[in-house]
Amino acid sequence: KNEVEQSPQNLTAQEGEFITINCSYSVGISALHWLQQHPGGGIVSLFMLSSGKKKHGRLIATINIQEKHSSLHITASHPRDSAVYICAVNTGNQFYFGTGTSLTVIP
Amino acid sequence: NAGVTQTPKFRILKIGQSMTLQCTQDMNHNYMYWYRQDPGMGLKLIYYSVGAGITDKGEVPNGYNVSRSTTEDFPLRLELAAPSQTSVYFCASSYFMSLAGVYNEQFFGPGTRLTVL
Repeated sequence: KNEVEQSPQNLTAQEGEFITINCSYSVGISALHWLQQHPGGGIVSLFMLSSGKKKHGRLIATINIQEKHSSLHITASHPRDSAVYICAVNTGNQFYFGTGTSLTVIP
Repeated sequence: NAGVTQTPKFRILKIGQSMTLQCTQDMNHNYMYWYRQDPGMGLKLIYYSVGAGITDKGEVPNGYNVSRSTTEDFPLRLELAAPSQTSVYFCASSYFMSLAGVYNEQFFGPGTRLTVL
């Protein structure tokens, strides 16, 4: 069983749609991270959360510590948002990663 | 700042050969990590380091070795390469202060695509 589960695995949306990607985890964490991996392979960190909600532009990340669940929302999606979104949890010194959600936004 | 740099970008090895993947960061981060990413799988932690001279195993350490003689550098050594080590390897760094509970995001290198034939 994976420590981090993401859903959906694949997601196709029309430009402008509101998108939600979910992440559930089974371990105690000190922080949860959302990462974006571009088609070229580079990985960038979008958010680091230990409670509540964070917003950067059109991206919103929430976490519910009691339910061990986080969501990443993209408002007014755009083709340039097409990427793989990865949820990761930090348990002290170690990190565990979900398998990613592949998002394609069609113009 | 260059951030996290990795060399080489691509490499093909024959079974049984050895090589070192280089990783350097210029952000004075104390934590550094090596991950591998296989198709359709999440990133898996190979080794990590909490500071110069200190390393520890992650989830999938077999077949690899690391060292951390300086804050900046964290090379990953593959001895006796095997086809199962064909993967994309990412190095990352972050800053973590356990007493204060301060930690920041991970910064990733561009990756090394390794094929073992």
